[in-house]
Amino acid sequence: DAGVIQSPRHEVTEMGQEVTLRCKPISGHDYLFWYRQTMMRGLELLIYFNNNVPIDDSGMPEDRFSAKMPNASFSTLKIQPSEPRDSAVYFCASSSTTRYNSPLHFGNGTRLTVT
Amino acid sequence: SQQGEEDPQALSIQEGENATMNCSYKTSINNLQWYRQNSGRGLVHLILIRSNEREKHSGRLRVTLDTSKKSSSLLITASRAADTASYFCATDLDNYGQNFVFGPGTRLSVLP
Repeated sequence: DAGVIQSPRHEVTEMGQEVTLRCKPISGHDYLFWYRQTMMRGLELLIYFNNNVPIDDSGMPEDRFSAKMPNASFSTLKIQPSEPRDSAVYFCASSSTTRYNSPLHFGNGTRLTVT
Repeated sequence: SQQGEEDPQALSIQEGENATMNCSYKTSINNLQWYRQNSGRGLVHLILIRSNEREKHSGRLRVTLDTSKKSSSLLITASRAADTASYFCATDLDNYGQNFVFGPGTRLSVLP
């Protein structure tokens, strides 16, 4: 099992540019989560999907952020336009409800730097 | 405010010693999980304890849960340099058991 795969690993962009982060969950997992990690705020849940449907997006900071899951094996998190305060490590995680309260499996994250 | 809060924020010990980290939370939970994060990597699940359990073991890890005090502790026995990482507790927020809130973490340094 390859685990959760995120790309790119690092992204450096200028303020105002569009940024797209990608995630491939573990095959068979029906939950997908996007988290953001910063020193100041720790690990924050942005949005999560169940069977490709967004369940809770209350953590999405503002309209500049959008997330999609067009199929069970792919999700994107888009920031448009990006701002320096969006600089953080963005993690994707997946889990399976074949077992109740199953653990989250995290990717290695995308480190985003907005200058 | 965060649901879970780890204590201490940072811990430095010698190899072979035991490390204890604590987690406090505010609302009722279905379960509590502990994760480890090595520098530059994603979080890795260590252990889950359900609200009706009081103690759980996994290898050198021992987790306790006191729902009356809304607290949990993670004990790592006979620590190794490879245990150097940040440790997070996560609590679930809803009955689906899939919406987790993470604490700020404890940074553990195990010195050889």
